[in-house]
Amino acid sequence: GAVVSQHPSWVICKSGTSVKIECRSLDFQATTMFWYRQFPKQSLMLMATSNEGSKATYEQGVEKDKFLINHASLTLSTLTVTSAHPEDSSFYICSARALQGNLEKLFFGSGTQLSVL
Amino acid sequence: GQSLEQPSEVTAVEGAIVQINCTYQTSGFYGLSWYQQHDGGAPTFLSYNALDGLEETGRFSSFLSRSDSYGYLLLQELQMKDSASYFCAGIDNTDKLIFGTGTRLQVFP
Repeated sequence: GAVVSQHPSWVICKSGTSVKIECRSLDFQATTMFWYRQFPKQSLMLMATSNEGSKATYEQGVEKDKFLINHASLTLSTLTVTSAHPEDSSFYICSARALQGNLEKLFFGSGTQLSVL
Repeated sequence: GQSLEQPSEVTAVEGAIVQINCTYQTSGFYGLSWYQQHDGGAPTFLSYNALDGLEETGRFSSFLSRSDSYGYLLLQELQMKDSASYFCAGIDNTDKLIFGTGTRLQVFP
């Protein structure tokens, strides 16, 4: 199946610093990628839709100036958490759509556990 | 908007059958998917119902009734490795995948 690579898998940073998370589609092109956030024992919440070559579309309540998304190529989307604070500590997961057989499926990266001290 | 509700937790023993329900409210809808997520891991795709009825994939089956805004995931011959969180997810009319509240399944020996 299609592979989505996400890096880093975990990161610990000090409060006030910025963290960049990369999401790559390894064997297919992804014009659209999705970024989710998941707090412990909760569901995945869609943060934004990343569109290649254009601005990301953010869900209600997600600060676009804090969570910068760049989708500069058909295989790479990045999420930058700017001026991270402890409340931003969470599991961040990217995903992309790809055709598998005759069914379009959503493939997920392995996720990034962010801990802000 | 779209919301998908699931029971928070289900427990069962090895070899048993368990059903995880998903009820939803949506203003636009294109099918129901099911995902499995082990602790610390990413969700993995299990099943998708585009139309009403039952879809069977090995030990897992998924059912959808659009008129009832209801679906379920059926897991048969439970194994210890099936202990995980399970999410239903709906595709809205803007092609975004919205996840349900999630059900934590614990399988006991």
